[in-house]
Amino acid sequence: GQNIDQPTEMTATEGAIVQINCTYQTSGFNGLFWYQQHAGEAPTFLSYNVLDGLEEKGRFSSFLSRSKGYSYLLLKELQMKDSASYLCAVSLSGNTPLVFGKGTRLSVIA
Amino acid sequence: GAGVSQTPSNKVTEKGKYVELRCDPISGHTALYWYRQSLGQGPEFLIYFQGTGAADDSGLPNDRFFAVRPEGSVSTLKIQRTERGDSAVYLCASSLKAAGSGELFFGEGSRLTVL
Repeated sequence: GQNIDQPTEMTATEGAIVQINCTYQTSGFNGLFWYQQHAGEAPTFLSYNVLDGLEEKGRFSSFLSRSKGYSYLLLKELQMKDSASYLCAVSLSGNTPLVFGKGTRLSVIA
Repeated sequence: GAGVSQTPSNKVTEKGKYVELRCDPISGHTALYWYRQSLGQGPEFLIYFQGTGAADDSGLPNDRFFAVRPEGSVSTLKIQRTERGDSAVYLCASSLKAAGSGELFFGEGSRLTVL
């Protein structure tokens, strides 16, 4: 089976930086996605990594190490609205649907 | 439409009943996916369509679940003889590129409660 692990919950302070880790052991690998999901809402796309390294997009950055089966999502200058679940998802190949982890519920406190 | 539309947003039914959930993808998106999400869990893959045909239905839990996409646009997920364990949010997503190669656009989901 496919194994994607993320912490269940994290808490961080407004204005701080938080790193959400994701490790994966899958039968194939074609890229890694991060999605944000606010409570009761649809998941929305944040980032996509296919090569090793860091991809930066505003306050959010995502890192991938294919050799280690590891990714992280870095959120800077945290805001209250960043309180949400963050889903790590692996693409096994170019023609198979994404496999999602269980998600990390982030709470941002004042 | 502007986004992925799912109806109904909420459905309460009794054990043993038949349920249909509808998904209207973004216009022009050939790939359509159904996922199921239980509380505190990530989306669990059910079935993927490329055009009118089911390219991958390996996630359907049993033969009570069936999905169609007859004209390559709107899709319907059908659940027969519902059980309490079927209670979840059913998410539909569409994408422009083939599965695994591009961003998924999700609908708000249909929350199914089986009493």
